[in-house]
Amino acid sequence: EAQVTQNPRYLITVTGKKLTVTCSQNMNHEYMSWYRQDPGLGLRQIYYSMNVEVTDKGDVPEGYKVSRKEKRNFPLILESPSPNQTSLYFCASSPGRHTQYFGPGTRLTVL
Amino acid sequence: AQKITQTQPGMFVQEKEAVTLDCTYDTSDQSYGLFWYKQPSSGEMIFLIYQGSYDEQNATEGRYSLNFQKARKSANLVISASQLGDSAMYFCAMRPHGNFGNEKLTFGTGTRLTIIP
Repeated sequence: EAQVTQNPRYLITVTGKKLTVTCSQNMNHEYMSWYRQDPGLGLRQIYYSMNVEVTDKGDVPEGYKVSRKEKRNFPLILESPSPNQTSLYFCASSPGRHTQYFGPGTRLTVL
Repeated sequence: AQKITQTQPGMFVQEKEAVTLDCTYDTSDQSYGLFWYKQPSSGEMIFLIYQGSYDEQNATEGRYSLNFQKARKSANLVISASQLGDSAMYFCAMRPHGNFGNEKLTFGTGTRLTIIP
């Protein structure tokens, strides 16, 4: 089954404790992206990647890092999480302009 | 820069009625795509329908159709014969085709649709 997977789905952590949210797609898509969703703001792009070893910032990259060492994986790294990074995070991949496939979301709470 | 405006924070509709969710957009790009996504209470983002700016006909996918009025910069989603399972948050989004490499979607703030039995 073609899909985008994210782990963990839910995470409660404390300020400053490094964490990684994994994202994997099995559709051989070159393009992958991370968004965060906050009430009243819709979804905003954090980082994106056009291909292996090619990444760039989106609209809200502060406090996040990414890497793209393999085509299928695009982890989101929070080196020192803060409460304002409490959000719902989505990974997405795309084969082209018509469709983006979203993962199931990761609900992160930073205390 | 692109901007999506969804002016209806919430809507209540009787089951089996048709419903129109409003979306207006602002862009200086000539070629772009418009998308609608559904987000049920479980949280996942479900792609519903796509409209290209140069498509001559309005897009349709089953009970979903997109009322695209390019001159007005509007891309309203129409759901025919609404069902209880249509209760969800709905997001309008767009992406300019000229952004080489970044397929970033710009989202509106969403409309929460509730279907009443």
